[in-house]
Amino acid sequence: EIVLTQSPGTLSLSPGERATLSCRASQSVTSYLAWYQQKPGQAPRLLIYGASSRTTGFPDRFSGSGSGTDFTLTISRLEPEDFAVYYCQQYGSSPPTFGQGTKVEIK
Amino acid sequence: QVQLVQSGAEVKEPGASVKVSCKASGYTFTSFGISWVRQAPGQGLEWVGWISAYNGNTNSAQKLQGRVTMTTDTSTSTAYMELTSLRSDDTAVYFCAKRGPYCGKDCYLEAWGQGTLVTVSS
Repeated sequence: EIVLTQSPGTLSLSPGERATLSCRASQSVTSYLAWYQQKPGQAPRLLIYGASSRTTGFPDRFSGSGSGTDFTLTISRLEPEDFAVYYCQQYGSSPPTFGQGTKVEIK
Repeated sequence: QVQLVQSGAEVKEPGASVKVSCKASGYTFTSFGISWVRQAPGQGLEWVGWISAYNGNTNSAQKLQGRVTMTTDTSTSTAYMELTSLRSDDTAVYFCAKRGPYCGKDCYLEAWGQGTLVTVSS
């Protein structure tokens, strides 16, 4: 199965700063890569699918990029509600797998 | 709007079985598959499996094959996930999620239930 490695494990930033999260796949998943946001005690929420298509529930400060094995989630200017854990998921190869998550915390 | 409402928390002894329900609304149930994902306390997300609400075809994680059964009741737009021979490492929050459109065998998950905590303890 494809292993997704997210880095860093924790990102400590201040509101207004830029966040760059990485997700690397052990083999190509073309563009079949999604990102989810999860806050404590809540279910994950789909943020990005197809590597770069943002869902309507999220503002345009969120963007996804990449293809093949290297993907990036960028939050251009962090708002207080953006501090959460972010997971990537590949669905290009069965079984679908998740990264271990990146926690974005307030510095 | 799409809603997935799951059944309540369960406490089970090792060796027992648990069945979690997931009632869908706000879309045509048979047009999209339902996936199940679990999250152990303080840990990441683990795919359990998925079921086609159209024809009942299923696919599950290899480590759970033989212990997990996924079904649907199209008359009530409800999906079910049953896990047997429970062990302590099955303790987790179990989520159901609606698969996105235009997907092949696997998919992203565009709407999630609130989660059901299953605790396995003697």
